[in-house]
Parts: sequence; structure tokens; C-alpha cells
Amino acid sequence: LAKTTQPISMDSYEGQEVNITCSHNNIATNDYITWYQQFPSQGPRFIIQGYKTKVTNEVASLFIPADRKSSTLSLPRVSLSDTAVYYCLVGRDTGRRALTFGSGTRLQVQP
Amino acid sequence: SQTIHQWPATLVQPVGSPLSLECTVEGTSNPNLYWYRQAAGRGLQLLFYSVGIGQISSEVPQNLSASRPQDRQFILSSKKLLLSDSGFYLCACLEQGSYNEQFFGPGTRLTVL
Repeated sequence: LAKTTQPISMDSYEGQEVNITCSHNNIATNDYITWYQQFPSQGPRFIIQGYKTKVTNEVASLFIPADRKSSTLSLPRVSLSDTAVYYCLVGRDTGRRALTFGSGTRLQVQP
Repeated sequence: SQTIHQWPATLVQPVGSPLSLECTVEGTSNPNLYWYRQAAGRGLQLLFYSVGIGQISSEVPQNLSASRPQDRQFILSSKKLLLSDSGFYLCACLEQGSYNEQFFGPGTRLTVL
């Protein structure tokens, strides 16, 4: 599985847009890019997944440049409830291997 | 969609005592199942995964073991707990044919004293 690098922590204020970038220089051709969100004392929750260009859902957007060596999770107009740890994962789970979660990015949203 | 149940929600056990954590899954068949452990303030560490009944792969050598007696049941066990076994244990499942979208259970908070 490709190794990922993301900032340890980020701070923001309510109403701002937050962009969290993840580097994955060794991404393979068949790998997908997936982001999870985790609140304290809960399991991670799937946010968004993409392969290339841009993906948007009701929660976030995911921007992936053409070389796919990085990706950016964009959270529009964050609120206090978006305070969580965000994990970037790269890979393709075939069932014989599982996902590797790094330390993630701890986002703190202030009022 | 899948629903994952884990119990107990919290557990306090003395060092040297046995452990049994159970995970059951609803809403899917023949899923891949996983056990993760998360230490306080840390990322998730994969412990075991299973692609079918009786099929267990261990990622980290330790005093824990896992079993899958039924398609949608995954059990994490230990004969003698260590202090270092304390943590937040999460069960997860992945639908066959799904890429990377794992669903996680509510977790079990284990404290070994």
C-alpha cells in the first residue's frame, strides 16, 4: 500500500473552508484515494473516495491532480462538529490486504 | 447498508485475565472482517483480518487471537491480558467488491489494570 503523509494538525474557525492535503508519491495505477473521519471514541467513518480529478458529495470535495501524487480534502464552511481526525488512505483492498491507517490530521474548529 | 455490533462497549480487566470481544455484522453476506486497535491519541493498528469463515490472517504477533466461527461473527480473544493490551478495539467490515469503504463498529474500550 502506498505510504501517505498528511499534516498532524490543523486549526480553523467556523464558517471557513478547510483544505487538508495528503501526499502519496508512490501511488499505484489501480489505487483509489479514500478519506475517513473519526470522532473521539467512535470508529472512523467513510467520507469520500476518488481516483482522479474531482469528486464531490454532500459532505466534502476531493481534488486529485493529474499525477495523483497528492490529494486535497476540502470541507466547505466547517462547523464545530467537524472537529475530528481525518485519515487519508491510498490503496485497493482486494480482501487479502487491509487498509493502513496513519496518524491522520487532527482538525480543531474554533467558534 | 451494513450494521456492526460490538460488545461489550467498555471493559476493565486485570492483568492475566482472559478476554473475549465479539463483533457481529448485519446487512451483508460474506464480508471481509477486520480487528483494529487504537491507543489513545494514535492511529489505527490492524490486528487481524478475515476473508471467510475460519480464515484468519494476523498482522501483528502478540498474545491476541481471532476467530470467525460464522460468516458474520468475528471474535477477538486473549488467554492472558497484558497492560499493553489496553486500547480502543474496533471491528470493521468491507463488502465484497467494495474498494476501501470499510464500515466500523462502535468499538470496545478495554482497560487492563
